[in-house]
Amino acid sequence: EVQLLESGGGLVRPGGSLRLSCAASGFTFSSYAMSWVRQAPGKGLEWVADISGNDFSTHYADSVNGRFTISRDNSKDTLYLQMNSLRAEDTALYYCAKRTGNYGGNFDYWGQGTLVTVSS
Amino acid sequence: EIVMTQSPATLSVSPGERATLSCRASQSLSSNLAWYRQKPGQPPSLLIYGASTRATGIPARFSGSGSGTEFTLTISSLQSEDFEVYYCQQYDNWPLTFGGGTKLEIK
Repeated sequence: EVQLLESGGGLVRPGGSLRLSCAASGFTFSSYAMSWVRQAPGKGLEWVADISGNDFSTHYADSVNGRFTISRDNSKDTLYLQMNSLRAEDTALYYCAKRTGNYGGNFDYWGQGTLVTVSS
Repeated sequence: EIVMTQSPATLSVSPGERATLSCRASQSLSSNLAWYRQKPGQPPSLLIYGASTRATGIPARFSGSGSGTEFTLTISSLQSEDFEVYYCQQYDNWPLTFGGGTKLEIK
């Protein structure tokens, strides 16, 4: 059974940093691209960042490019999101999501999410 | 960026009736279009991928169709558990983009 478990969310001041983690199990982690997708309270879904399965090529939404860094440790089956220079508009529930291919595909599994609140 | 526009934002339908949800892309896509549903307090879950292929375990009352810039999700006979929010998403080009969602509510 595929499981994705996010952690690391919390309350942080504007300009601060936070590192999210997503522990994966139930599939061959290195064979699939992974993304972070966020959802602001009461709003829709926004894709944030993506990393391929084994050559670690990355892509980012313009809204986070230069501030967020996605990475993965295939030896630990874990996905990360380093978030720097956080802004109030980054407040959201952050989901990690598995893609159906090494370099792309739709999202077939989602975690439960971890909440990030940016506020002074 | 490919902008995905869903309509209507809210759709009121009676149980047992048919619902048709639309998703328009700002530029032509291949078949790399997915539909997800989301209940309050839960993560999204996959319904349809490749514009028309049902995900594992999705009942036959759900069907996806369309090509180019116009895509449709049809639910043939609404059950009580179907009243939630539906999102389309393109995975054809970077950045990946979602539509704003359609909330299906009980009439």
